[in-house]
Order: sequence, then structure tokens, then C-alpha cells
Amino acid sequence: EVELVESGGGLAQPGGSLRLSCAASGFTFSSYSMNWVRQAPGKGLEWVSYISSSSSTIYYADSVKGRFTISRDNARNSLYLQMSSLRDEDTAVYYCARDPSDAGIVVPGTGGFDYWGQGTLVAVSS
Amino acid sequence: AIRMTQSPSSFSASTGDRVTITCRASQGISSYLAWYQQKPGKAPNLLIYAASTLQSGVPSRFSGSGSGTDFTLTISCLQSEDFATYYCQQYDSYPVTFGGGTKVEIK
Repeated sequence: EVELVESGGGLAQPGGSLRLSCAASGFTFSSYSMNWVRQAPGKGLEWVSYISSSSSTIYYADSVKGRFTISRDNARNSLYLQMSSLRDEDTAVYYCARDPSDAGIVVPGTGGFDYWGQGTLVAVSS
Repeated sequence: AIRMTQSPSSFSASTGDRVTITCRASQGISSYLAWYQQKPGKAPNLLIYAASTLQSGVPSRFSGSGSGTDFTLTISCLQSEDFATYYCQQYDSYPVTFGGGTKVEIK
């Protein structure tokens, strides 16, 4: 059974840092691209960042570019999001999501983000 | 970035109703569109990808159609467990973008 479990959320001050983790199990982690998606309280979904299976392709939303860094450790079946220079507007539940695309290219017969974690809450406040 | 516009943003319906949600892309995205269902306090759940392909395990009362810029999600016979918020997502190009959501409430 595919499982994604996020951790590392919590309260941070504006300008501070947090590191989120996503532990994957039940599938060959090294074969899949991954994403971070966030949802501010009472709001819709916002894509944050993408990393391909080999880490060769990485994308960021303009809202986090230069402040957040996505990475992965295929040996540990883990995905990470290093968040720095945090702002109030970064307050959200952060989800990791599996992506069947390959380096941003849609694989025929697949699409969308097929598995999501339960989310971890990041609250930025002084 | 490609803008995704969903309509309506919310509506009320009754169990057994046929409901349709629309999603419009600001530019053509072929069939690179997915639909998700999200219930309060839960992660989104993939319902449909490639505009019309049902994800494994999703009930057949859900269907999707469209290509290019205009897409629809239809629930043929609304069940109690279908009251939720629905999002469309384009994955034609990064940044992937989501629609604003459509909340389906009980009438």
C-alpha cells in the first residue's frame, strides 16, 4: 500500500526556517517524481515545488523561489522541503504528492498527482 | 502561468441529483487535466486524469470530458459521500495550477 507521511511542521517566526520531510513507502520511490502542494486555511490548493525521480529537474512556484529548496534521498525513500525566510503567507498545510510524470513530461496512461500524504501544518507568526 | 477558472464556486444539491462542474483554462492544455475531491481535514483524492480517465477505485458515477480549454466533471447520481470540494488541475506545463474549487453542499 502506497503511503506518504509528512512531518516537520510547526510554528515558526517570520524570517525563520523549517524543514519538512515526507517518508514514502509501498512503492519504488526512486522511480517517481514528487511534489509539494500547500493549502492555506480555508483556501484552495497551491502547487509549491516539483522534483524529478533523479533530482535532475526541479521547479518552484514564483511565490517560494529563492526561499524554499526541494530535495530527496532515494536511499532513504524521503522527500524534503527546506523553507527559509518564512512569511505570514506561507502559513498552510503542506502536502507531499506522488507524480507519475518523468522530468515534467507526462507519461502516457498517467496523469495528475495520484497519492497524497495527510499533510503537515506550518504556521508562521510572531 | 495557466489560469484555471472553475464554476460555480459553490452550490447546493440533493442526493440523487446529476451535477456538473466546469473548468476553463486560460490557454489550451490538450487533455492534461485532472479532477480531485477533497473532504474537510483530508488530503485531495485523484478522481480523473487525462480529462476523462477514471482513477482506479473511483465510482463510475464520476465522469469527465473536454479538451483544449473547456472541461467538465459530472456526477451522475449524487451520493451522500460526494458532498465535498472539487478541484481541477492542469498539468500541461509547470507551474501546474489548480482551479479555485467548487464546494458541493447538501440542499
